[in-house]
Amino acid sequence: QVQLQESGPGLVKPSGTLSLTCAVSGGSISSSFWWSWVRQPPGKGLEWIGEIYHSGSTNYNPSLKSRVTISVDKSKNQFSLKLTSVTAADTAMYYCAREIAPQDNWFDPWGQGILVTVSS
Amino acid sequence: SSELTQDPAVSVALGQTGRITCQGDSLRNYYASWYQQKPGQAPVLVIYGKTNRPSGIPDRFSGSSSGNTASLIITGAQAEDEADYYCNSRDSSGNHLVFGGGTKLTVL
Repeated sequence: QVQLQESGPGLVKPSGTLSLTCAVSGGSISSSFWWSWVRQPPGKGLEWIGEIYHSGSTNYNPSLKSRVTISVDKSKNQFSLKLTSVTAADTAMYYCAREIAPQDNWFDPWGQGILVTVSS
Repeated sequence: SSELTQDPAVSVALGQTGRITCQGDSLRNYYASWYQQKPGQAPVLVIYGKTNRPSGIPDRFSGSSSGNTASLIITGAQAEDEADYYCNSRDSSGNHLVFGGGTKLTVL
């Protein structure tokens, strides 16, 4: 049973960089899945941030592309998110998820999420 | 703005059938997946592909698709089904993913 666990600072200063890691357990990050980040501002809906394959191939949400980098560390079985130049609008619950994507796609399982607040 | 459109709120009487819809041009080419999210919890996959349910999801949840509209159907809604529901699919380009704005389901 694959499980995902997000970790990282819960508070980031405006104009700073948000850095999160998602640890994968119960399975290999090098298996034939994509791995995604999704966020949810308080009281709002879900927003896909981007995805990565173990080869390092990435796709990003066009609205965030200029500020986002997703990377993978196969030796640690984890992948990471960096979001630069953050503002209060980036305050959200951040989730990592395994993405199954033969043609259509779906996310299963999800991590429990980590709340990141952007504030001075 | 989302490329997938959901009604903000839907209500259903206890034991009756509720339908949540998701509209978008990309749904003519891709099936939607559906997620249930209860307060303070991470989303949970309830429907994927044409109308597949992960193990552990009750069979009262089903999916359908026609043209640019995907639907999540709850047959015999229970009080515990009260939650926010989100659809997800690829966007029109096929290269990116998008979520609908979410539907709050109330079981009366």
